[in-house]
Amino acid sequence: DAKTTQPPSMDCAEGRAANLPCNHSTISGNEYVYWYRQIHSQGPQYIIHGLKNNETNEMASLIITEDRKSSTLILPHATLRDTAVYYCIVRVAGGAGSYQLTFGKGTKLSVIP
Amino acid sequence: EPEVTQTPSHQVTQMGQEVILRCVPISNHLYFYWYRQILGQKVEFLVSFYNNEISEKSEIFDDQFSVERPDGSNFTLKIRSTKLEDSAMYFCASSEQGTGELFFGEGSRLTVL
Repeated sequence: DAKTTQPPSMDCAEGRAANLPCNHSTISGNEYVYWYRQIHSQGPQYIIHGLKNNETNEMASLIITEDRKSSTLILPHATLRDTAVYYCIVRVAGGAGSYQLTFGKGTKLSVIP
Repeated sequence: EPEVTQTPSHQVTQMGQEVILRCVPISNHLYFYWYRQILGQKVEFLVSFYNNEISEKSEIFDDQFSVERPDGSNFTLKIRSTKLEDSAMYFCASSEQGTGELFFGEGSRLTVL
């Protein structure tokens, strides 16, 4: 799976949009971008994933650049409960590919009142 | 909302003892996983399980580890003879398909003395 690079930490004011960047310059054509988060020591929580197009769900939006070498996770209105470590992971979607998710160090997002 | 449940939430054991961690995946999911996180470190993949057999395992998952799906609901991780370095949070996860959208449990904290 392609390696990802994320800033170690970010701050965001409560109620503002949190934009978390991720670089994955070696991503392959069949690899998806997944985002997870881990609140304190809880189990990781799936947020969103995408291949080429931008994606939105009830939790967040995912913007993938046209060359697919980077992406941004957007939390539109950050709350204190969004304080967590956010992981950007690239991997093949499934089928005959590897099943494992490789977690890096992620970005520790602190939402400030 | 369906969730992955894990028991026990915390187990303390003596070095050399056998430990079994239990998980109840989401009922219609077909793929099952164990991950672990040593305190302050990354979330690490241990093993994936599909169709009653191991699909993939990491270097961490040596002969001291085994997994089993003894009935239609439980998925267990056994550590045969625990070591101090096995102290970690162990996360079970499941997915409906072999994609990267995993649902994680809250974890079982294992402390080996």
